[in-house]
Amino acid sequence: GQQVMQIPQYQHVQEGEDFTTYCNSSTTLSNIQWYKQRPGGHPVFLIQLVKSGEVKKQKRLTFQFGEAKKNSSLHITATQTTDVGTYFCAGDTSNDYKLSFGAGTTVTVRA
Amino acid sequence: EPEVTQTPSHQVTQMGQEVILRCVPISNHLYFYWYRQILGQKVEFLVSFYNNEISEKSEIFDDQFSVERPDGSNFTLKIRSTKLEDSAMYFCARSTTPFGYEDYGYTFGSGTRLTVV
Repeated sequence: GQQVMQIPQYQHVQEGEDFTTYCNSSTTLSNIQWYKQRPGGHPVFLIQLVKSGEVKKQKRLTFQFGEAKKNSSLHITATQTTDVGTYFCAGDTSNDYKLSFGAGTTVTVRA
Repeated sequence: EPEVTQTPSHQVTQMGQEVILRCVPISNHLYFYWYRQILGQKVEFLVSFYNNEISEKSEIFDDQFSVERPDGSNFTLKIRSTKLEDSAMYFCARSTTPFGYEDYGYTFGSGTRLTVV
């Protein structure tokens, strides 16, 4: 079955530093979505990427979709304590109504 | 305030009992999903539901599971005979388009924590 892999599993960041989390798929994805889940909360949609090589920004968050549409990344600059949570990527191969989530990157921030 | 309401927020049940988890999407949507998340683990797809029919289901969604939209509003997940390994957070989600296209993604409910004892 389709696998969406995420690394790293855990990211401990000093406040103010940057970090990147990566998402890789064994198959070509028709789209990739990113979600954030705060501790004890539910996944909240952040963004969707559809086009090969697409880059989107949301304030301090930069999302990228690879040229081959098999990988994606989320880069956060100047990390803040509000960035704490687990970031999931989710993708689908196409037309099977089954969005598969990666295992997530859990981010903790040292003040 | 989530746009998808799930009840109950926490359900404790004995092994072998049936449970029904409910989801009420506030808006009128066509695409519904159930996901589960075992504590500390990934969000796992269970089933997608479109036009009052199952569109896709995972290997997890075996004969013990069923979904319904009985009154055109509530969306339910039934587990007929619960097992210990069914203990998880169950999330309902909805989208306005397949896979949540057009920058809206999936809207998840706040979840039901199911504990099987």
